Formats: sequence, C-alpha cells, structure tokens
Amino acid sequence: DQQVKQNSPSLSVQEGRISILNCDYTNSMFDYFLWYKKYPAEGPTFLISISSIKDKNEDGRFTVFLNKSAKHLSLHIVPSQPGDSAVYFCAASVMGADGLTFGKGTHLIIQP
Amino acid sequence: DTEVTQTPKHLVMGMTNKKSLKCEQHMGHRAMYWYKQKAKKPPELMFVYSYEKLSINESVPSRFSPECPNSSLLNLHLHALQPEDSALYLCASSQFPLAGGRDEQFFGPGTRLTVL
Repeated sequence: DQQVKQNSPSLSVQEGRISILNCDYTNSMFDYFLWYKKYPAEGPTFLISISSIKDKNEDGRFTVFLNKSAKHLSLHIVPSQPGDSAVYFCAASVMGADGLTFGKGTHLIIQP
Repeated sequence: DTEVTQTPKHLVMGMTNKKSLKCEQHMGHRAMYWYKQKAKKPPELMFVYSYEKLSINESVPSRFSPECPNSSLLNLHLHALQPEDSALYLCASSQFPLAGGRDEQFFGPGTRLTVL
C-alpha cells in the first residue's frame, strides 16, 4: 500500500508557463515533506521541503504548498524552463526516524 | 565536495555469483542509506547506518548484506540473488541520523543491477 502517491506519471508544460505537480499521502504521522528532482543517469537531488507546521514554502521559482486536512501537497514551478525537464519525486518522513518514503515520481516535460 | 559516488555504474551477475556494490562520501555525514528502485516504482528504503551502526533493516532478504567499514564507506554485498532483484540501487547520505528528512539526503547516481 503506497503511503505517498503521485497519480500523474507525466506532465507536459510549455516553457514560461506554470508547472504544478501534485502529491497525496495517507500516513498522518508524516510531518515533513520533500521534493527531489532526478535527471537520467543521476541520483535524485533535493529541491525544496516543507514542515507540517507550515502551509507554504518558497524558494525562487519553486513553491511547495501543503494542505494537511486534505493530506495533499503540490509543487509549483514558475516560470518553467527547459532545464526543469526531469522526474520529480515527492517524499515524506517522520521526525526521529531515518529514511524517506517516496512517491512513484512525475516526469515533467517542458516544451519550447 | 558534495558528491556521493557509487561503483560500479552497471553490474550483470548470475544467480550463483557474489558481488559487492560500493558507496563513498567525504562530506562527514554520519547517516548512510541503501535504497532499491525498480522500474516505474519509487525508491524503497533497504538499510540505514547511523554512526557506522546498522539502525534500520527494512526486512530485506539475507542475500543482501550491508557493511559500513568506516564513516565514509558503505558496501552492499550480494549473494545468490534472484532475477527479481534486478533494479537500480541508490546510496544516499545525510549529516545527522534520525533527523526525519530535515537533514538533506544526498544521493549517488546508483548502480544498475541485472541478475540473470
């Protein structure tokens, strides 16, 4: 049973527009959420995170929103750039534990 | 140096072989991780080492045997694997154990393992 779900395997967005990637979770013990980005033949790299005590965290073009009541988070990228084309993983964790629980990933394709 | 290196990049082995995957980091991190990722699936945690001691084993079969010789190195010894063990094996490290993800995990590029 997947505790972190990314229901869109792929997403295609035009360059310059907003990309919105979604993630749902089922485990109410999760209190920290992260987004990782992965290019082919490379390991995932950390992008942005959010604690469950916040509902928004912004870093440059990237903003993560958390809706705890809906157990839903989203990553907004604006404006989208060609270098943003990659697989994006949503991950969650519990304080005092090690390791991350990942979603299946969404392949974002930015079209010129 | 913010890099986690993994060798080999690719490995093909038979079911009777013994092989090892290696992971190295020189960031002074005290937590190291092995994840397994099968095609179209998320990375799944296998093992965690905290201060060179095994702290988490996610019910991984004994044909996978981790080893942490020192704070910079993490090995995964493989023996009598099955074809279904074919996957991408990712190593990661983070500065502090038990940080629950607050502490960024740095991932290596992975070893693509094929078991024939």
